[in-house]
Amino acid sequence: NAGVTQTPKFQVLKTGQSMTLQCAQDMNHEYMSWYRQDPGMGLRLIHYSVGAGITDQGEVPNGYNVSRSTTEDFPLRLLSAAPSQTSVYFCASSINPAGVGTGEGETQYFGPGTRLLVL
Amino acid sequence: GNSVTQMEGPVTLSEEAFLTINCTYTATGYPSLFWYVQYPGEGLQLLLKATKADDKGSNKGFEATYRKETTSFHLEKGSVQVSDSAVYFCALGAVNDYKLSFGAGTTVTVRA
Repeated sequence: NAGVTQTPKFQVLKTGQSMTLQCAQDMNHEYMSWYRQDPGMGLRLIHYSVGAGITDQGEVPNGYNVSRSTTEDFPLRLLSAAPSQTSVYFCASSINPAGVGTGEGETQYFGPGTRLLVL
Repeated sequence: GNSVTQMEGPVTLSEEAFLTINCTYTATGYPSLFWYVQYPGEGLQLLLKATKADDKGSNKGFEATYRKETTSFHLEKGSVQVSDSAVYFCALGAVNDYKLSFGAGTTVTVRA
């Protein structure tokens, strides 16, 4: 299993440009999430999905769109990049919501991250 | 709402020293508690978890006990190695809540 994969690893954008961050998982997980990581703030949830065709907003959704056409893929779109979106973005997947459960495999699995710089 | 507060870093230690990272939480109900670790250049991976009060999670020599009376989940390791250098995140998750609430992260550097 590749687990959770993300592309690209690093991207530089100019203000106003758009782009899509790709995320895929091969564990057949229903739940997928996008977080952003900023210094001193931990990780904050941007959007999440509870299954193909179903998405919802997290804590910091403004400026981002998502879709979930298949169980495997959960792309994150930046509509018009702003310097405030400079961050490290992590995709995660899990069997159950947020990986909460008592089973051994019940956790959120994170991808390696995409580092985004908006100039 | 749910929130997590963990001690600020950075923390610098010598090999074989004792490590403790404090974590306290605020939550309604009975959340699950997690410690995630992020090694340089990598994503987060689960280090350990506890799902109910008085549970002790352990992995790779690290331990943390879910203390409901003090709303804490402090991470400890008796003898750290250089390979333990990483950023450690305390997190909280509640049943039917679709996100983990993360602390700010603590950067730990272990010197030989």
